[in-house]
Amino acid sequence: DVVMTQSPLSLPVTLGQPASISCRSSQGLVYSDGRTYLMWFHQRPGHSPRRLIYEVSNRDSGVPDRFSGSGSGTDFTLKISRVEAEDVGLYYCMQHTHWPKTFGQGTKLEI
Amino acid sequence: EVQLLESGGGLIQPGGSLRLSCATSGLVFSASTLNWVRQAPGKGLEWLSTISGRPGYIHYADSVKGRFTISRDISKTTVYLQMDRLRAEDTAVYFCATDNGMDVWGPGTTVIVSS
Repeated sequence: DVVMTQSPLSLPVTLGQPASISCRSSQGLVYSDGRTYLMWFHQRPGHSPRRLIYEVSNRDSGVPDRFSGSGSGTDFTLKISRVEAEDVGLYYCMQHTHWPKTFGQGTKLEI
Repeated sequence: EVQLLESGGGLIQPGGSLRLSCATSGLVFSASTLNWVRQAPGKGLEWLSTISGRPGYIHYADSVKGRFTISRDISKTTVYLQMDRLRAEDTAVYFCATDNGMDVWGPGTTVIVSS
């Protein structure tokens, strides 16, 4: 199975400051179609997850442009340019290039 | 707008069975891929199973293979997760999510396995 390793697991931040979360996969995530199926999700306490980013760097509809995704191969990053209060919660990366689909452990962003 | 709504959770004794439902709307259901994902209390997300539209395939996580069965009813635009031989470690919130990339999620349904 592909192991997804996130760091840090806890991320204290200051409002208005940037934040960055790393996700590393134990195998490359480029599929045979040339696409890289690496996603990022945000989960607020008591809510279901919401996808923010798909295929490494594509923002989902309605996601603020302060969120950006980057990376290739086995190293990926989610960046928040200026943290807002609503950004608190857990962040997960996930790959679905390989079966089984696997998630990172989660990063808790707190202000 | 795509919407998902899970149901069927509850309190069940170890060794028992439950069937979860995920009612969908706003999808071309026959062509849609749907997933089940769970989250144990205080833990992260765990993918469990995926069922695709045409052409069809089904995949399971090793942790539930042989105990859980995913299925779909096109006439009801609903996907199911039949859970047998439940264990305490199956206690979790169970979510369904659309597409291989899980772009839309339901609110979840809670399963508690306890005597």
